[in-house]
Amino acid sequence: EVQLVESGGGLVKPGGSLRLSCVGSGFTFSSYTMNWVRQAPGKGLEWVSSISSAGTYTYSTDSVKGRFAVSRDNARNSLYLQMNSLTAEDTAVYYCARGSGSFRGPDNWGQGTLVTVSS
Amino acid sequence: QSVLSQPPSASGTPGQRVTISCSGSSSNIGSNTVNWYQQLPGTAPKLLIYSNNQRPSGVPDRFSGSKSDTSASLAISGLQSEDEADYYCAAWDDSLNGYVFGTGTEVTVL
Repeated sequence: EVQLVESGGGLVKPGGSLRLSCVGSGFTFSSYTMNWVRQAPGKGLEWVSSISSAGTYTYSTDSVKGRFAVSRDNARNSLYLQMNSLTAEDTAVYYCARGSGSFRGPDNWGQGTLVTVSS
Repeated sequence: QSVLSQPPSASGTPGQRVTISCSGSSSNIGSNTVNWYQQLPGTAPKLLIYSNNQRPSGVPDRFSGSKSDTSASLAISGLQSEDEADYYCAAWDDSLNGYVFGTGTEVTVL
């Protein structure tokens, strides 16, 4: 069974930084693209970043470019999101999601971790 | 601001058929396959339909998807109370070089 467990969320002040982690199990982590998707309170889903299986390629939505960095450690079955210069608009539940091997998009999701940016 | 447009809400009585539309453009739905996700209240999203019309194992055949040009739709037949959820369409966008979600549709069972 595919499992994705996020951690690292919490309360941070505007301008601060936070690093999210996601550990995957039940599948060969190093073979899959991984994604971060967020959902602001009461709002819809927003794709944040993707990273290819070997970490060679990364993609991010425009609103986080230059502030967020996605990375992975395949030896530790782990995905990371380093978030800098946080603003209130970054407040959201952040989901780790595995990219499918057969179509373009996430197929399995973690339970999410809440990031709150507030003074 | 979502690139894919969906109606904010849809509803039906138990047993009815409900259809949700998803409108995009040539850079997303027009050139890539569409996926649908179901998000039950207070839970993480779950893959419901992939590659326009394929169901992952375990998803009831009451759920079906279709795509035409730059639009897609999700149909729920034989609506049940447990289908009350938010539904999102999604696709890769070649112009944005990113994955885009629809605005989401809240389905209510009357």
